[in-house]
Amino acid sequence: GAVVSQHPSWVICKSGTSVKIECRSLDFQATTMFWYRQFPKQSLMLMATSNEGSKATYEQGVEKDKFLINHASLTLSTLTVTSAHPEDSSFYICSARIRAHEQYFGPGTRLTVT
Amino acid sequence: AQKITQTQPGMFVQEKEAVTLDCTYDTSDQSYGLFWYKQPSSGEMIFLIYQGSYDEQNATEGRYSLNFQKARKSANLVISASQLGDSAMYFCAMREWTGTASKLTFGTGTRLQVTL
Repeated sequence: GAVVSQHPSWVICKSGTSVKIECRSLDFQATTMFWYRQFPKQSLMLMATSNEGSKATYEQGVEKDKFLINHASLTLSTLTVTSAHPEDSSFYICSARIRAHEQYFGPGTRLTVT
Repeated sequence: AQKITQTQPGMFVQEKEAVTLDCTYDTSDQSYGLFWYKQPSSGEMIFLIYQGSYDEQNATEGRYSLNFQKARKSANLVISASQLGDSAMYFCAMREWTGTASKLTFGTGTRLQVTL
């Protein structure tokens, strides 16, 4: 299958700082990428859909000013958690879609805010 | 209302046995897709199998097969000849279209433990 990478794989930051997470499709171009959040022992919740060259579409309840998404190229989308707080600590997973029934996930980024 | 329901929080199966993981879904769309993903402790989501709503035959991928019963709105995953490496969380997901966009909605998952 296709390969999606994420960087960093884990990050610890202090409350009030911002953290950027990168998601790259390594061997294909992705016009659409998705960002999910997963709390321990829970399911994946879609945060936003990122489209190359346009604004991201956020799910209801997700603060767009807090979770900034940029999809500057066909192989890179970034999620920036601004002014992070301990409640933002979570596992963030990106995903890229090749075709309607082929969606591949990155390995995830574990964010801990102290 | 839950779009995807996985009623088994945890399952045990002996090595080399088959196991069925349940998944039911709710949609009024005619066109949709059903997926199963495996998430080992490392966290990565691994695609296992896909079933389109118009596919007449049940999908199969190696030891994985999807028991698709459209009228019952169920899409159970069958893993044959279980292996220790199959121990993981398993998520059922559905793709629905809203206009020109689509998104994947996940169930709450089933934790499978394969024992000797």
